[in-house]
Amino acid sequence: AQSVTQPDIHITVSEGASLELRCNYSYGATPYLFWYVQSPGQGLQLLLKYFSGDTLVQGIKGFEAEFKRSQSSFNLRKPSVHWSDAAEYFCAVGDFGNEKLTFGTGTRLTIIP
Amino acid sequence: DADVTQTPRNRITKTGKRIMLECSQTKGHDRMYWYRQDPGLGLRLIYYSFDVKDINKGEISDGYSVSRQAQAKFSLSLESAIPNQTALYFCATSGRGVRFQETQYFGPGTRLLVL
Repeated sequence: AQSVTQPDIHITVSEGASLELRCNYSYGATPYLFWYVQSPGQGLQLLLKYFSGDTLVQGIKGFEAEFKRSQSSFNLRKPSVHWSDAAEYFCAVGDFGNEKLTFGTGTRLTIIP
Repeated sequence: DADVTQTPRNRITKTGKRIMLECSQTKGHDRMYWYRQDPGLGLRLIYYSFDVKDINKGEISDGYSVSRQAQAKFSLSLESAIPNQTALYFCATSGRGVRFQETQYFGPGTRLLVL
């Protein structure tokens, strides 16, 4: 069965600093990978997704993620964070067979001035 | 207006009560999902429906039931609520496209407290 690990429960970053959120997945075939963001009191919003092709994926709000098959990773990055990026971030892997998403446990991002 | 709405947004109930959470969407999507979110556990799939006549159990369906009344409506019921069903519940929808090329759109969530 597929699984997703987000090893960092909580990360604190200074405004303007770079960000990298880690995601490792387990899946038997080529994975379908996603990053979602959940702002306080809101539902989840898709940041970006990877299906195939270029391993560096661009998303909304200035985020990008890189798929590394050899490391089973799909880390999310942003070169310069803004206070509005404070939220919880979820990585997810899609099951090609039954079209379900399996989510990681999330990483909460705090931005300090 | 929001594309995916959930009612109620907050609910407090007592153990043993039957409650229903409702989800409506105006996106014209065929596929609808119910998830629950617990701190430290992420989102887990309860039930999903690919069209009105197709309903499937997710990974944690015990204690829950669903009804797909129409393409746009998907309700989640707790027949006899228990405290460990206290959680944040999300409805999501997606279109009938090539697998995963249709994004899942989430509602704002329903916060449920079972006393």
